Amino acid sequence: GAGVSQSPSNKVTEKGKDVELRCDPISGHTALYWYRQSLGQGLEFLIYFQGNSAPDKSGLPSDRFSAERTGGSVSTLTIQRTQQEDSAVYLCASSSGRGQPQHFGDGTRLSIL
Amino acid sequence: GESVGLHLPTLSVQEGDNSIINCAYSNSASDYFIWYKQESGKGPQFIIDIRSNMDKRQGQRVTVLLNKTVKHLSLQIAATQPGDSAVYFCAENFKTGNQFYFGTGTSLTVIP
Repeated sequence: GAGVSQSPSNKVTEKGKDVELRCDPISGHTALYWYRQSLGQGLEFLIYFQGNSAPDKSGLPSDRFSAERTGGSVSTLTIQRTQQEDSAVYLCASSSGRGQPQHFGDGTRLSIL
Repeated sequence: GESVGLHLPTLSVQEGDNSIINCAYSNSASDYFIWYKQESGKGPQFIIDIRSNMDKRQGQRVTVLLNKTVKHLSLQIAATQPGDSAVYFCAENFKTGNQFYFGTGTSLTVIP
């Protein structure tokens, strides 16, 4: 079966623009995570969705960041009024639930000019 | 805040030798741990996991050891191959939380 799919794989945009990143999780996975990875760094947790529960947004760095998950499947991460410090790789992962292995997509490499 | 750290940022080994990658974690409430391998331009790939009720778990050519007394996790790779060259991350999951906390990674280079 297909793994986690993210699009676009690369995104270059100007400072101040809004961007939308998409994640298609593994079919049937109820949990979905977004992370941010800066060059040479570990993964920074952003947001977590589990089924129909309210998402855990505790990792979002500012109110410019938001995410939604429609129909318990596809998720979009939106960054408004992008700043240069938003440049990073944004990774999505899904799992069959808490305490289960996460499976990652290959990420979206975001570059803010 | 909580931290997950790695003792060595880089590790070079000869092909065929065994590799050991270490990880220290700080939260005694963590009950689930995962090792990931990340190749350039790719997302992290699951290698092996272990729960806090275990001390050791083996997979194909890999073994994870968990020492809860000193909050230490290690990944052993047997007969290291060039394809094992990558960055390796450990991640911990708190018993009551949704988040996984990741270390900064160890870069493993296998010398042919």
